Amino acid sequence: DAGITQSPRHKVTETGTPVTLRCHQTENHRYMYWYRQDPGHGLRLIHYSYGVKDTDKGEVSDGYSVSRSKTEDFLLTLESATSSQTSVYFCAISGGAPGQGQTYEQYFGPGTRLTVT
Amino acid sequence: SQKIEQNSEALNIQEGKTATLTCNYTNYSPAYLQWYRQDPGRGPVFLLLIRENEKEKRKERLKVTFDTTLKQSLFHITASQPADSATYLCALDRASGGSARQLTFGSGTQLTVLP
Repeated sequence: DAGITQSPRHKVTETGTPVTLRCHQTENHRYMYWYRQDPGHGLRLIHYSYGVKDTDKGEVSDGYSVSRSKTEDFLLTLESATSSQTSVYFCAISGGAPGQGQTYEQYFGPGTRLTVT
Repeated sequence: SQKIEQNSEALNIQEGKTATLTCNYTNYSPAYLQWYRQDPGRGPVFLLLIRENEKEKRKERLKVTFDTTLKQSLFHITASQPADSATYLCALDRASGGSARQLTFGSGTQLTVLP
């Protein structure tokens, strides 16, 4: 999985509790992304980062926040989890390392299965 | 908003035949189009990228075409094998903030190659 880890891999939580998912890369890629995948909707972009402390919203950002304090780590936080946020969450990286030619393909982590009861 | 349709949710073909998957899009002119493979319980894996000024791209048994007039991409797997069974995703690609790439994915076509 191209040097990308996600933690936890599985989580069950209750409605209203905060949840933080972590994505860690060892590839030094510039850009990082969080997606959610649901049956019938495919992969949808939640937030992305184009550098340390530089983030922007994706298609389905409501209820989610992100932070990137280091190149290698990108955190996704659900401030108050709801049942509609039950999903599989994927982190992805792209862009190559600074100083190298930019690449466009994305490399995905193994995913986190989150269940909100 | 952008809409991407992959022609069928499931496609079954016989081993050795060519599988053809379709990706149609509306309301958008992507600079690039990408294809990914996803196995159950795993993250998507990048296969091929084709640029808007390219008609065709090949990699081993894989071929992708891109028709910006029809707003359609075709993905072919020749001499298909049971190991090719997976879900295949197409994604439209455009630049975003800081030159990050935003991908908009189709919902995928589940391919089963029967021995």
